[in-house]
Amino acid sequence: QVQLQESGPGLVKPSQTLSLTCTVSGGSISSGSYYWSWIRQPAGKGLEWIGRIYTSGSTNYNPSLKSRVTISVDTSKNQFSLKLSSVTAADTAVYYCARDQIAAAGMGYYYYGMDVWGQGTTVTVSS
Amino acid sequence: EIVLTQSPGTLSLSPGERATLSCRASQSVSSSYLAWYQQKPGQAPRLLIYGASSRATGIPDRFSGSGSGTDFTLTISRLEPEDFAVYYCQQYGSSPRDTFGQGTKLEIK
Repeated sequence: QVQLQESGPGLVKPSQTLSLTCTVSGGSISSGSYYWSWIRQPAGKGLEWIGRIYTSGSTNYNPSLKSRVTISVDTSKNQFSLKLSSVTAADTAVYYCARDQIAAAGMGYYYYGMDVWGQGTTVTVSS
Repeated sequence: EIVLTQSPGTLSLSPGERATLSCRASQSVSSSYLAWYQQKPGQAPRLLIYGASSRATGIPDRFSGSGSGTDFTLTISRLEPEDFAVYYCQQYGSSPRDTFGQGTKLEIK
């Protein structure tokens, strides 16, 4: 079955760029009507959606982070990536990657939820 | 922006009891766009329900979802010890971003 694994530095200095990669195994990142999302969770707090990408390269971002976020995909490596610039301590969190399924239905869409998640990686922003 | 408000914040129940968790949206949400997740300490969230009422693969039938418009409910018919966790609702894509509720912690009484 499909599995996701986040990787990247666990410590980032303030004002620098956080870079994480999610590797997809057990299936092709290009198959089906799947989208690929990043979500984060500060310690002891709730979930915050960061953004998602389709393998065509189409992206959607959380407006509160949009000016600092870039999500990209590398289908040849079966990976997608997150870059978050100008980080501060408020960006310290566990970062998850996940698979979404969204399909056209009638005049709109049907959302099948985030059914596969990575284990999460802790990123601390500190000097 | 659509805000999802979950209640109660904490629910204390015993195994075997019925749990009812609420998710209220600040604006109407399509049922097709509403999902529920379970998260245990140190673990990633797990998808339970999508489309407001459809169980994800492998989810026991004691979990059920219902609702429409601005009011959605996750019900666990008979609590098992492994069901004690934090539960989140999520709406996809409206206004124009995904949002999660703040979570309901289901704890053993």
